[in-house]
Amino acid sequence: KNEVEQSPQNLTAQEGEFITINCSYSVGISALHWLQQHPGGGIVSLFMLSSGKKKHGRLIATINIQEKHSSLHITASHPRDSAVYICAVLQGAQKLVFGQGTRLTINP
Amino acid sequence: DTGVSQDPRHKITKRGQNVTFRCDPISEHNRLYWYRQTLGQGPEFLTYFQNEAQLEKSRLLSDRFSAERPKGSFSTLEIQRTEQGDSAMYLCASTGQYEQYFGPGTRLTVT
Repeated sequence: KNEVEQSPQNLTAQEGEFITINCSYSVGISALHWLQQHPGGGIVSLFMLSSGKKKHGRLIATINIQEKHSSLHITASHPRDSAVYICAVLQGAQKLVFGQGTRLTINP
Repeated sequence: DTGVSQDPRHKITKRGQNVTFRCDPISEHNRLYWYRQTLGQGPEFLTYFQNEAQLEKSRLLSDRFSAERPKGSFSTLEIQRTEQGDSAMYLCASTGQYEQYFGPGTRLTVT
């Protein structure tokens, strides 16, 4: 079993829908990252959080440390949100352990 | 552009050849990471440097792989005697504190 599990692995939705991607982890962490990867490979950090909730534009990330679970929400989804979203946990001395990613496709 | 650059962006090589990739991190960042990502999977940790010291290596990093960061600035990752299983995206990231900034990656194809 992977230390970081994401669900769903693939998600297709219509423009405007509310999107939720889930991440569960089984190890102790100092922080959790949500990352976005577009075709071509470049990875951009969306959020780093260790408790509670963060919001940036239409993106919201939450984490429940006790339950070892985090969610990434996208409100009013748009085709430009189509990408792979990766959850990664920070362990010990700054080492990231990654989930397998969720491929999101938003259709117009 | 995150400020982390990698060169080359793409590399096609024949099995058995050696390849070397370069990563230039954000200049004030003292930690530098190498990750490998195969198709459809999340990245996997390979190794990490604090300044010029290589502090951790994954079991994924066989003896055909070597990484250096000679002056605590740029880093190189060399793969000797490449195998088809080495085909992947090789990602570099740097950090000063917690947040990691990723380079665009080098896509390696071994034929």
